[in-house]
Amino acid sequence: GESVGLHLPTLSVQEGDNSIINCAYSNSASDYFIWYKQESGKGPQFIIDIRSNMDKRQGQRVTVLLNKTVKHLSLQIAATQPGDSAVYFCAEPTGGGNKLTFGTGTQLKVEL
Amino acid sequence: IAGITQAPTSQILAAGRRMTLRCTQDMRHNAMYWYRQDLGLGLRLIHYSNTAGTTGKGEVPDGYSVSRANTDDFPLTLASAVPSQTSVYFCASKPGQENGELFFGEGSRLTVL
Repeated sequence: GESVGLHLPTLSVQEGDNSIINCAYSNSASDYFIWYKQESGKGPQFIIDIRSNMDKRQGQRVTVLLNKTVKHLSLQIAATQPGDSAVYFCAEPTGGGNKLTFGTGTQLKVEL
Repeated sequence: IAGITQAPTSQILAAGRRMTLRCTQDMRHNAMYWYRQDLGLGLRLIHYSNTAGTTGKGEVPDGYSVSRANTDDFPLTLASAVPSQTSVYFCASKPGQENGELFFGEGSRLTVL
């Protein structure tokens, strides 16, 4: 019979618009967070990271915001381009910091 | 610089067969990891190694084993493959146990029939 697959949350944006991808984390003691981008058929690639003593960190076209009060992390991509289409994961260290636990991911689709 | 090399890229395997996924890194990283990726479940840690000669269990270790005989190689073995082990497997590494970027390979797609 037909199987029903699990679907990733999807964010669709127009080319040139800004994208905001959100992530909630559970461990209030986490002191480091990292964002990865994964293009179809490839391994995850590092985008940007942030330590808990910061609220904001900027990279090239990307900004990560950390709200420790509500345990929320967001990745902002400015002037989204077709090459930004990918799945984006947030991650935090667990088990004493030597392992990363990943969120389930968000699919970003850039419409021309 | 190759970074992390995984082999095979893709494999179809009969249930009950033994399979070893290979992972080699040329960055002299101490810490290495194996993750499996399934749609809707994200990346889940199978096993890890903080340094050559040591290994540890991750979130989903059952049915898998690893070894770390040297710094560069971290093979993952399925002793008797089952269909639920159909997945994409990623090897990763980082310099040490401190927080920092995890470098990933391109993945090995395994289908168990």
